[in-house]
Amino acid sequence: EIVLTQSPGTLSLSPGERATLSCRASESVSSSYSAWYQQKPGQAPRLLIHGASSRATGIPDRFSGSGSGADFTLTISRLEPEDFAVYFCQQYGNSRFIFGPGTKVDIK
Amino acid sequence: QVQLQESGPGLVKPSQTLSLTCTVSGGPIRSASYYYSWLRQPAGKGLEFIGRFYTNENTNYNPSLKNRVTISLDTSKNQFSLRLTSVTAADTAVYYCARDAEHLIGFLHWGQGILVTVSS
Repeated sequence: EIVLTQSPGTLSLSPGERATLSCRASESVSSSYSAWYQQKPGQAPRLLIHGASSRATGIPDRFSGSGSGADFTLTISRLEPEDFAVYFCQQYGNSRFIFGPGTKVDIK
Repeated sequence: QVQLQESGPGLVKPSQTLSLTCTVSGGPIRSASYYYSWLRQPAGKGLEFIGRFYTNENTNYNPSLKNRVTISLDTSKNQFSLRLTSVTAADTAVYYCARDAEHLIGFLHWGQGILVTVSS
């Protein structure tokens, strides 16, 4: 069974700084199924990145995704106030979508 | 603009069946066109995939829930539904309906979520 680990658990940064979030799978996975979501309190998740590196419609270009094999990264080049949220990575395996436990990006 | 909206009871008794409906607006719901999915999120925790429907012959259910879950489409009402049997307190969560889009694997369109509590 594929397990996703996200690091760090919490990332404390200031607006304007760069955020680098990691998602590691317990085994090599398909980039096609790699996605990232942003979730704010009381809201549904929002798809940011799919296929490891493709931005979803309407997502600002300060968000970028990369990676392959078992290691994937979400980068936010310059944090805006609205970017402070929880971020989940997604993969697919054993007939189901799997999500990481999340990285919380909060204001330093 | 595709919009999804969950509806159903917010409280279900243990051992009973949880039934939720997702109403889709902004376009017709069609079998073999998109994946129509349900996910859930216990308070303060991560996301869990419940299952998805593509056609009657092509559905995916989370193996950990497979024996208790049914997802179905009602094209006449532009809705899809979730049925989860024999619920326990562990099934208490915010339940989301979601849909993918062309050329991407993931959940692009989401409902706002509905809190379902399992309690006597």
